[in-house]
Amino acid sequence: DAGVTQSPTHLIKTRGQHVTLRCSPISGHKSVSWYQQVLGQGPQFIFQYYEKEERGRGNFPDRFSARQFPNYSSELNVNALLLGDSALYLCASSLEREGGVAYNEQFFGPGTRLTVL
Amino acid sequence: AQSVTQLGSHVSVSEGALVLLRCNYSSSVPPYLFWYVQYPNQGLQLLLKYTTGATLVKGINGFEAEFKKSETSFHLTKPSAHMSDAAEYFCAVSGGSRPGANSKLTFGKGITLSVRP
Repeated sequence: DAGVTQSPTHLIKTRGQHVTLRCSPISGHKSVSWYQQVLGQGPQFIFQYYEKEERGRGNFPDRFSARQFPNYSSELNVNALLLGDSALYLCASSLEREGGVAYNEQFFGPGTRLTVL
Repeated sequence: AQSVTQLGSHVSVSEGALVLLRCNYSSSVPPYLFWYVQYPNQGLQLLLKYTTGATLVKGINGFEAEFKKSETSFHLTKPSAHMSDAAEYFCAVSGGSRPGANSKLTFGKGITLSVRP
């Protein structure tokens, strides 16, 4: 079975531009989460979507937005890029709940490396 | 609120020596705990997890961790280091199975493990 996939792999943008990152979850997983990993740090939670609804939001400015589509894939959008947005953006999918049982394990994709110049 | 503390940013061991990576957590609810490994320019791979039940958890590649509630710790160990273990290791906590919980992960800053020949 295919794992979590993300596109593009690498991206270079200039300050002020907009970027869209894409994620496809593992088949059957209904939840997608986004994390930002700045060089030398642990991943920081940005968003979680479950069944197309926003389930949680981390401490990120409104320039960051996301959505989940009916097929459970997701997009992360960042407007007005700043140099500090340069990071590895990780997408993770999880089953969340099935039959009343919680499945909290998240499976991560390879990430999108965003460089802002 | 939840948090993870990983003391020290770098651990160096000789091949064949014991690996011990420390993790302490803070959580207002019974936590789920995870260890992830990240190789250069790659996403995160789950090594092991603690949800409920047995407090000594075995994972992939010979790693194990013990959940100690009284010490709020979840240290990662491996009896004999291999050169291929050199990577970045992240401890993470989520909110467990309480009603309304999601699988959002809070990560520590990570520890770089080096293995000397």
